[in-house]
Amino acid sequence: KAGVTQTPRYLIKTRGQQVTLSCSPISGHRSVSWYQQTPGQGLQFLFEYFSETQRNKGNFPGRFSGRQFSNSRSEMNVSTLELGDSALYLCASSRTAQAGFEQYFGPGTRLTVT
Amino acid sequence: GENVEQHPSTLSVQEGDSAVIKCTYSDSASNYFPWYKQELGKGPQLIIDIRSNVGEKKDQRIAVTLNKTAKHFSLHITETQPEDSAVYFCAASYTGGGNKLTFGTGTQLKVEL
Repeated sequence: KAGVTQTPRYLIKTRGQQVTLSCSPISGHRSVSWYQQTPGQGLQFLFEYFSETQRNKGNFPGRFSGRQFSNSRSEMNVSTLELGDSALYLCASSRTAQAGFEQYFGPGTRLTVT
Repeated sequence: GENVEQHPSTLSVQEGDSAVIKCTYSDSASNYFPWYKQELGKGPQLIIDIRSNVGEKKDQRIAVTLNKTAKHFSLHITETQPEDSAVYFCAASYTGGGNKLTFGTGTQLKVEL
């Protein structure tokens, strides 16, 4: 069974631009969560989508948004990029939106903002 | 909100020795505690998890213990091997919080030959 895939793997953008990252969950998984990983802040929850609906949101500004499609694939968008948005963006998939079920992470998208 | 503290931040052991990583959580409603291993350039890999109705869980060389009263849980790796070298993260979530995981700050484990 294929794992969680994320595209692109690496991205370089300029301050002020916007970026869209993509995540394809494990087949049969309907929940997708996004996390930001930085050396200073560690792993922080961005948001979770289940059945095309945002179920949960972390403490990030409105420049960070996401969506989920009917095939469970998800995208996240960051507008008006800032230098501090440079990070590894990880998505995780799970069968359900209930706590206590295993979540599996993709390899991440490394975003560098210059 | 939930806060998870993890210690130590770095751990160096000799091959064959045991390694223990400890985490404490603040929210008594937390009831699911996974552990992830992250190797360089890769995403976190789920290695073991435990739910609040269980005190201990074992999978080959890896075990996790949970003390709900003290709000702490630990990862034990026995007979460490060089391939165990990685960053390990503990996390917590609770019913009602969906799949939101609150992570510890990570432990860099180095297994020396």
